[in-house]
Amino acid sequence: EPEVTQTPSHQVTQMGQEVILRCVPISNHLYFYWYRQILGQKVEFLVSFYNNEISEKSEIFDDQFSVERPDGSNFTLKIRSTKLEDSAMYFCASSDEGRRADTQYFGPGTRLTVL
Amino acid sequence: AQSVTQPDIHITVSEGASLELRCNYSYGATPYLFWYVQSPGQGLQLLLKYFSGDTLVQGIKGFEAEFKRSQSSFNLRKPSVHWSDAAEYFCAVGARTGGYNKLIFGAGTRLAVHP
Repeated sequence: EPEVTQTPSHQVTQMGQEVILRCVPISNHLYFYWYRQILGQKVEFLVSFYNNEISEKSEIFDDQFSVERPDGSNFTLKIRSTKLEDSAMYFCASSDEGRRADTQYFGPGTRLTVL
Repeated sequence: AQSVTQPDIHITVSEGASLELRCNYSYGATPYLFWYVQSPGQGLQLLLKYFSGDTLVQGIKGFEAEFKRSQSSFNLRKPSVHWSDAAEYFCAVGARTGGYNKLIFGAGTRLAVHP
């Protein structure tokens, strides 16, 4: 069964460093998403991406964040200058269409620890 | 405002006992509702979803959920819990703003299963 994969599973970085989280969505999907879950809190929407551009972003997704689909398979989330409060589990998801009823398939997540 | 409430943070049941996890939503339009499960170290796996038709929906692993519009609820049930069901369960509503969808999650319910 096709699945979303994410690398690395755990990333430790120093405050102020740049990190890139990588995702490989399901191959025939067209819509891609990033969510994050701070320890003990809700899973929160960060950004959605379609047709090589951001379709929606939350207030969390400020100028320090960017997303890119550098090739036909990868989808990345970059944090330019990490802060302590960026420590969280980051989930990538994909869906084949952009309807509200569509299932979003999630990857296993990347745990980001900012020291 | 769009929101999902899961009133129970932790629930403990004995193996073989029945289970009901509560979920209430607030959404102005027709709700599209999802239950996801997150096992330790794993990503979010879809258990079931409701988008129209029969208000009792069946999912994987023997779970079912009932949509009750009058109560704005979408409670998850299982008649007999297995030890492997110990996990965190998230209810979500599919929201659509600006033409693109995203999921709004509840805070989750952590289920422990006693032998």
